[in-house]
Amino acid sequence: KAGVTQTPRYLIKTRGQQVTLSCSPISGHRSVSWYQQTPGQGLQFLFEYFSETQRNKGNFPGRFSGRQFSNSRSEMNVSTLELGDSALYLCASSPDSRVEKLFFGSGTQLSVL
Amino acid sequence: QQQVKQSPQSLIVQKGGISIINCAYENTAFDYFPWYQQFPGKGPALLIAIRPDVSEKKEGRFTISFNKSAKQFSLHIMDSQPGDSATYFCAASWGADGLTFGKGTHLIIQP
Repeated sequence: KAGVTQTPRYLIKTRGQQVTLSCSPISGHRSVSWYQQTPGQGLQFLFEYFSETQRNKGNFPGRFSGRQFSNSRSEMNVSTLELGDSALYLCASSPDSRVEKLFFGSGTQLSVL
Repeated sequence: QQQVKQSPQSLIVQKGGISIINCAYENTAFDYFPWYQQFPGKGPALLIAIRPDVSEKKEGRFTISFNKSAKQFSLHIMDSQPGDSATYFCAASWGADGLTFGKGTHLIIQP
């Protein structure tokens, strides 16, 4: 069974641009969560989608948004990039949105120059 | 406000020794406490988890000790091996909320 797949693996953008990250969950999983990982702040919860609806949102500005498609695949968008948005963005999926069954992908490393 | 505080930030243990990582939380509503292991270039992977109705859970060489009154929990790795060298994160959650993570512990097991 394939794991959580995130694309691209690496991204380099410049300040002010926008970026879209993609996540394909484990087959059969209906919930997708996104986390930001930085050396200074560690792992921080961004948001969670279940059956195409955002169920929870962390404490991030509105520049961070996401969506989930009917096949459970998810995208995350960051607009007007700032230098501080440089981070590893991790996607995690679970069968039924319970955190007990959360499986993480390897992440997309975003560098903002 | 850091809701889950993890220590130490880094830890060096000799092969065969016991690795101990500690976490303290503030939100008494938390009802799920997992530990994740992360290797370079990979996402975190669930190692072991506990709920507050038990004080200890053991899975192989890994044990969680949980102290509800002190709002603390810890990870013990017995007979530590070089392959255990990784970054370990404690976390907590309640209800349908996402995980709140500690800042991580970089563990090195020396051969």
